Amino acid sequence: AQSVTQLGSHVSVSEGALVLLRCNYSSSVPPYLFWYVQYPNQGLQLLLKYTSAATLVKGINGFEAEFKKSETSFHLTKPSAHMSDAAEYFCAVSDRADSSYKLIFGSGTRLLVRP
Amino acid sequence: ETGVTQSPTHLIKTRGQQVTLRCSSQSGHNTVSWYQQALGQGPQFIFQYYREEENGRGNFPPRFSGLQFPNYSSELNVNALELDDSALYLCASGTGGLVHEQYFGPGTRLTVT
Repeated sequence: AQSVTQLGSHVSVSEGALVLLRCNYSSSVPPYLFWYVQYPNQGLQLLLKYTSAATLVKGINGFEAEFKKSETSFHLTKPSAHMSDAAEYFCAVSDRADSSYKLIFGSGTRLLVRP
Repeated sequence: ETGVTQSPTHLIKTRGQQVTLRCSSQSGHNTVSWYQQALGQGPQFIFQYYREEENGRGNFPPRFSGLQFPNYSSELNVNALELDDSALYLCASGTGGLVHEQYFGPGTRLTVT
C-alpha cells in the first residue's frame, strides 16, 4: 500500500531564509507525487507534481521539488521564504495503476515565517 | 473558466441526522472525488465518481454515499451522523487520463454535535 510521511508537523523559518519541507513516500510502483498548499479556511491548491519526466520539478510561487528514487523522497524547497508562504503544506502520492488516481496525503507540515 | 465550488460553506448537524453536501465541478472535468479532512490531519479519500459511476472507494462505511449528475455536479450524503464525522469535506474535480490532476474546492465545514 502506498503511504506518505512528512517529517515535522511544524517548520519555522525567517523571512528570506531557505524553506525545506520533507516528504518520503512508499510505493510499489513508480508513483505520481504532488505538493499541495492550504491557506486557512481554504481548499487545496496544487503547487507542483512529478509524473516521471524531469526529476527536478518547478512549481508556482518559486517552489520546486526533487524526486529521488533511491531515497524515496520528494522534498519541497524554496530559496527565500516570504511572509505569504505561511500555510499548511501537504505531500501526496497517487498510484498510476489505480484508475481513480486517488491521492494519499501526508499529515501536513505547517510553515511559519518569522519577520 | 469557473473553478470548483461547494455548498454550503458551513453546516451544523446533530448526531444521528443526515446531511447532503454539494459540489459543482470545474468546466470540462468528468471526475469528482470527495475527501474528508479531520482537524490537524491530511485529507482522506472517500470515493470518486466518473461518468456517474463510482470509480474507487476509500475506507469509509456505506453510510457515506454519493451521486454524480450528467452535468458533472456531485453530492455527498452521510447518514446517521456521528461526532467523528465532524471535518472539512473537500470536493475535487479532474479529467480521466494518463496524468491526473485534481482541482479542489474550498470545502464544507461540517460540525456534528
